[in-house]
Amino acid sequence: DAGVTQSPTHLIKTRGQQVTLRCSPKSGHDTVSWYQQALGQGPQFIFQYYEEEERQRGNFPDRFSGHQFPNYSSELNVNALLLGDSALYLCASRTLGLAQFFGPGTRLTVL
Amino acid sequence: GQQVMQIPQYQHVQEGEDFTTYCNSSTTLSNIQWYKQRPGGHPVFLIQLVKSGEVKKQKRLTFQFGEAKKNSSLHITATQTTDVGTYFCAGLRNTGNQFYFGTGTSLTVIP
Repeated sequence: DAGVTQSPTHLIKTRGQQVTLRCSPKSGHDTVSWYQQALGQGPQFIFQYYEEEERQRGNFPDRFSGHQFPNYSSELNVNALLLGDSALYLCASRTLGLAQFFGPGTRLTVL
Repeated sequence: GQQVMQIPQYQHVQEGEDFTTYCNSSTTLSNIQWYKQRPGGHPVFLIQLVKSGEVKKQKRLTFQFGEAKKNSSLHITATQTTDVGTYFCAGLRNTGNQFYFGTGTSLTVIP
């Protein structure tokens, strides 16, 4: 049983570009959340998807958008990248009432 | 502003000494989760606490949820070098499905 998987593992982009990160949840999980973790900080909640809809959103601008597919996998899109968007992007999956399981993350560097 | 605070931010201990990290929320939580993140890794779920005053143990780790459900602690007895990492609490408020991560406590164990 695979855990949460994310792709790519590393990514380098330049300012103004757009990026798409992908996440496959743990088997049996239907809820996917995305977090941004800057170096030395705790994960910051971006948004959560359930039943293909955004259910909850953190304090992130509209440049951050997402999608959930019928198989529960999810994408995080970031437009007009800024230097400050450089971080580890974590995907976490769970089902109602249970623990969150995190994927290994995507390290995004914006130059 | 910061929803969940943790203290201390850093802790260096000699191997065999005990370690405690404290987590405090500005609002009442419906549950709290604890995670461990090794350097270069992703958060790994340790435990979830739901009930007021709940205490759970995992070998040398003891987790406690405060009576008011606004604070929690993690205590490690007789630390080992394998305990090195950053410990995060993550609280879920009574409204919404967003987990608020604490600032984390980075533990260094000196052999």
